[in-house]
Amino acid sequence: GAVVSQHPSRVICKSGTSVKIECRSLDFQATTMFWYRQFPKQSLMLMATSNEGSKATYEQGVEKDKFLINHASLTLSTLTVTSAHPEDSSFYICSARLGGGGEQYFGPGTRLTVT
Amino acid sequence: QKEVEQDPGPLSVPEGAIVSLNCTYSNSAFQYFMWYRQYSRKGPELLMYTYSSGNKEDGRFTAQVDKSSKYISLFIRDSQPSDSATYLCAMSAPPGGTSYGKLTFGQGTILTVHP
Repeated sequence: GAVVSQHPSRVICKSGTSVKIECRSLDFQATTMFWYRQFPKQSLMLMATSNEGSKATYEQGVEKDKFLINHASLTLSTLTVTSAHPEDSSFYICSARLGGGGEQYFGPGTRLTVT
Repeated sequence: QKEVEQDPGPLSVPEGAIVSLNCTYSNSAFQYFMWYRQYSRKGPELLMYTYSSGNKEDGRFTAQVDKSSKYISLFIRDSQPSDSATYLCAMSAPPGGTSYGKLTFGQGTILTVHP
């Protein structure tokens, strides 16, 4: 149980285009999902908290107009990287919180490369 | 000072050894404690989840939490080459606080188990 999927697993796009990444909780409902970014050999950096039916909460320094988050259902959150630039190239990982405790289950990640 | 400190290693042990991984933290509000395993280019996998102080055992893994010392540990018995990965400790605060639900991660410890 507690499986989270992400799609796509890998994407290459041209500078200036937008890319959408989907995060789904497959066997549980998640009112809260999280989006992280991870650079090589570094720990995860929280970008934003996504709550079903309401606006996402962004961490300091994260541009909300560049990283659009939508959490339209209890099993799906999407992250859209708008007007992507090479510096946006990274490993993006989502997680979903199970129940009212602190445990989070992570998706397999999406590797974004902007050329 | 970081909220969560974790020795980044790397740690190299022979197959069959007992591995001890540790994290210290400074925020006394943390109540939920987790250990994740992350293979290269993959999302983190939840290994252990504990609430407040105490021990928890699951197969070859034992998690310990000592809130009085603000110290958590993960022990891996009979380590296998397949355990080679980065291990991340993570913790979060209970409901009611502004940090509820957000995970604060350690830097991660790189473990290699050689045959």
